[in-house]
Amino acid sequence: SQQGEEDPQALSIQEGENATMNCSYKTSINNLQWYRQNSGRGLVHLILIRSNEREKHSGRLRVTLDTSKKSSSLLITASRAADTASYFCATDAYNQGGKLIFGQGTELSVKP
Amino acid sequence: NAGVTQTPKFRVLKTGQSMTLLCAQDMNHEYMYWYRQDPGMGLRLIHYSVGEGTTAKGEVPDGYNVSRLKKQNFLLGLESAAPSQTSVYFCASSTLTQGSEQFFGPGTRLTVL
Repeated sequence: SQQGEEDPQALSIQEGENATMNCSYKTSINNLQWYRQNSGRGLVHLILIRSNEREKHSGRLRVTLDTSKKSSSLLITASRAADTASYFCATDAYNQGGKLIFGQGTELSVKP
Repeated sequence: NAGVTQTPKFRVLKTGQSMTLLCAQDMNHEYMYWYRQDPGMGLRLIHYSVGEGTTAKGEVPDGYNVSRLKKQNFLLGLESAAPSQTSVYFCASSTLTQGSEQFFGPGTRLTVL
């Protein structure tokens, strides 16, 4: 079964707006990662947040992690049409030997 | 560096045919993975390898076999393809550090008729 559940499944916004995607998971984790997938392409790693971290930034990306609620959020600020893609969270759970378990993804559409 | 490459990019098979998907990485990564991606299902791990000569089952291994004879290559085989194996297959690799970021190939789109 999937470890990560993402919300919303699809999100449509205008350029310049912020986009927020959420990920919930079931078991304790070592870290949580976010990936991006452009249509017809492979996944690209965006950011990794460890279980002892609460917030992390990378350019226009902000990731938060709440281990008590077993949830994470990815915020993309000042979105651009080029941000249109699917975004996946992936968890490195304690009992998974380093393997990642991916959520079902959020499909983001940014309209110019 | 080419990163992670996959061969072929597209393939159409008839039910019962066999094929091998090739994944190659030039980053000297220890770990390699094969995933399948189906609409609404995210990525599911088929098999993985933690080093040359070793393989292990993932979440959905049935109907697939793998081999890692060389560190840089990870092969995924379908011995008798079924329509349920129609999917997009992704290979990925990562360093020895447990839970580190994975680097993905561009994918192979397989259709089984």
